[in-house]
Amino acid sequence: EAGVAQSPRYKIIEKRQSVAFWCNPISGHATLYWYQQILGQGPKLLIQFQNNGVVDDSQLPKDRFSAERLKGVDSTLKIQPAKLEDSAVYLCASSLRSTARSSYNEQFFGPGTRLTVL
Amino acid sequence: SQKIEQNSEALNIQEGKTATLTCNYTNYSPAYLQWYRQDPGRGPVFLLLIRENEKEKRKERLKVTFDTTLKQSLFHITASQPADSATYLCALALYSGGYNKLIFGAGTRLAVHP
Repeated sequence: EAGVAQSPRYKIIEKRQSVAFWCNPISGHATLYWYQQILGQGPKLLIQFQNNGVVDDSQLPKDRFSAERLKGVDSTLKIQPAKLEDSAVYLCASSLRSTARSSYNEQFFGPGTRLTVL
Repeated sequence: SQKIEQNSEALNIQEGKTATLTCNYTNYSPAYLQWYRQDPGRGPVFLLLIRENEKEKRKERLKVTFDTTLKQSLFHITASQPADSATYLCALALYSGGYNKLIFGAGTRLAVHP
């Protein structure tokens, strides 16, 4: 089965510019996640979708970050305007479901987009 | 405050030995805990899951223990190989508002030397 696809793989922009990342999850996966991973740290959840609805965006800097999941499949994450501290790898992941406390929730990650803000 | 702590320093071991990685947490009540492997330039890959009511899980050369009283998980790789060299992330699954979400530790880098 095809994995999670992300593009672009690398992006370099100047601060205050805008950037967008794209993610195509594994077919049939209802839950989609965007994570930010700063060098030397673990992934930090930015936003979680269940189908095309947002179920958690508590750590998304909403003044500059936005995300959408069209028709419950592909997703885009946008940063506008970018700051130096946004330099990180942005990981997209998907899973079959995340409901119920005891439900199995293996996440499948894409290769990530490395963003450098100068 | 809520914290997840993994050994911040790299773990260096000789091939054939057992690697033991630690994950400690405070002020969380996870439904389950997962371990992921991450290679440079790649996304994390799921390895094992252990639920809150389980003490130990095994998969081939991997073993995970989970002590909810100590708030600690140990991850063991037996008969380690140079190919096991990577960063290993622990992740707590927190259940809130009808959904599970993962909180990741910073990871421990393992280097297995021939």
